[in-house]
Amino acid sequence: DGGITQSPKYLFRKEGQNVTLSCEQNLNHDAMYWYRQDPGQGLRLIYYSQIVNDFQKGDIAEGYSVSREKKESFPLTVTSAQKNPTAFYLCASSVPGTKDTQYFGPGTRLTVL
Amino acid sequence: SQQGEEDPQALSIQEGENATMNCSYKTSINNLQWYRQNSGRGLVHLILIRSNEREKHSGRLRVTLDTSKKSSSLLITASRAADTASYFCATDASGAQKLVFGQGTRLTINP
Repeated sequence: DGGITQSPKYLFRKEGQNVTLSCEQNLNHDAMYWYRQDPGQGLRLIYYSQIVNDFQKGDIAEGYSVSREKKESFPLTVTSAQKNPTAFYLCASSVPGTKDTQYFGPGTRLTVL
Repeated sequence: SQQGEEDPQALSIQEGENATMNCSYKTSINNLQWYRQNSGRGLVHLILIRSNEREKHSGRLRVTLDTSKKSSSLLITASRAADTASYFCATDASGAQKLVFGQGTRLTINP
């Protein structure tokens, strides 16, 4: 099955801890994205990557970091510098550029205790 | 600021009725897309309409685009309970390198 997976589905973190959210795709897509969604709200772009070893900040990158060492993987680290990290995080991918149809993973719900 | 804004924010109709939701945007676009999100899930792409197209159909979905008014509408005909979801428009502003999503319309289909 081709698709995009995120793990874990639910994640709990204590304040002051960094946490990494996983995103993997086997669609052979070049571009990958991370979004944050708050209750009843739309999606806000955190980071995106158009190619391996390259990524750009989105609209709300502060307190987050990413890496793109492999085409299939785009992990997101939520650092302790993110002041309000509790949210639903969505990963997506697309081909070939950044304006085409995006395919989304099932999301990770992060709760900071 | 948001490029796309949906209207209404919430819509509740009876099963079998048609549902219409609208999206307005601010700058020139290359294309506009509509996505569906079931509660607690990821988004699913529904349809893409390019700036040189005025109307597009896919099954029970009909999308229109009016670039002079910078607006689009999504019509779902003969609604079903399974259509209950949030619907988002996404635009790619010409010259931008990313999609921008609106805040969505929450659609509830009552049996």
